[in-house]
Amino acid sequence: ETGVTQTPRHLVMGMTNKKSLKCEQHLGHNAMYWYKQSAKKPLELMFVYNFKEQTENNSVPSRFSPECPNSSHLFLHLHTLQPEDSALYLCASSQDPQAATNEKLFFGSGTQLSVL
Amino acid sequence: GESVGLHLPTLSVQEGDNSIINCAYSNSASDYFIWYKQESGKGPQFIIDIRSNMDKRQGQRVTVLLNKTVKHLSLQIAATQPGDSAVYFCAENNAGNMLTFGGGTRLMVKP
Repeated sequence: ETGVTQTPRHLVMGMTNKKSLKCEQHLGHNAMYWYKQSAKKPLELMFVYNFKEQTENNSVPSRFSPECPNSSHLFLHLHTLQPEDSALYLCASSQDPQAATNEKLFFGSGTQLSVL
Repeated sequence: GESVGLHLPTLSVQEGDNSIINCAYSNSASDYFIWYKQESGKGPQFIIDIRSNMDKRQGQRVTVLLNKTVKHLSLQIAATQPGDSAVYFCAENNAGNMLTFGGGTRLMVKP
């Protein structure tokens, strides 16, 4: 148990559906991240939040919409996804933002998303 | 070895042997390096890290070696166990930037 909890663990959705992924960290960290892990690519950073403020959007399509209501919770809202968006979506947290200092990330177990 | 692309390199070792997983990093300015382990159905788990002012760091059954001259990082696992079977990622960073992850190496431990 890393202290970062993601739900759901698995999600199957159609291209017209709207769904949300949830992440909660119990570590008292200030920064939270969304990563995408595909079978044939290294981990791809999507979004970074520092003290609830978005500090990085790594050219992610608008069909992915993050939300960070407080420093412990992070959501990823999904709308009109494409089959190529099928992947493992990982949430992570760190004490301070990586862009400010070298920090290790603590990952959740991810949500395995399949878009039909 | 390390690979970014269409396939995941695989290292197969006998239980009890030592394992060495290699990583070639790209940015000569990187000054912080991490090894992660990812088991099936789980997220990456921190194993060990090293800063560029060191060339070796030891943990429990694991050792990380850093060769800045050739931009090479390795993870050594002593007395490999079946529970060590996983995908191992290296990651590099320098202040002001985000961690950059490698493609990973799959370690398979034969009983």
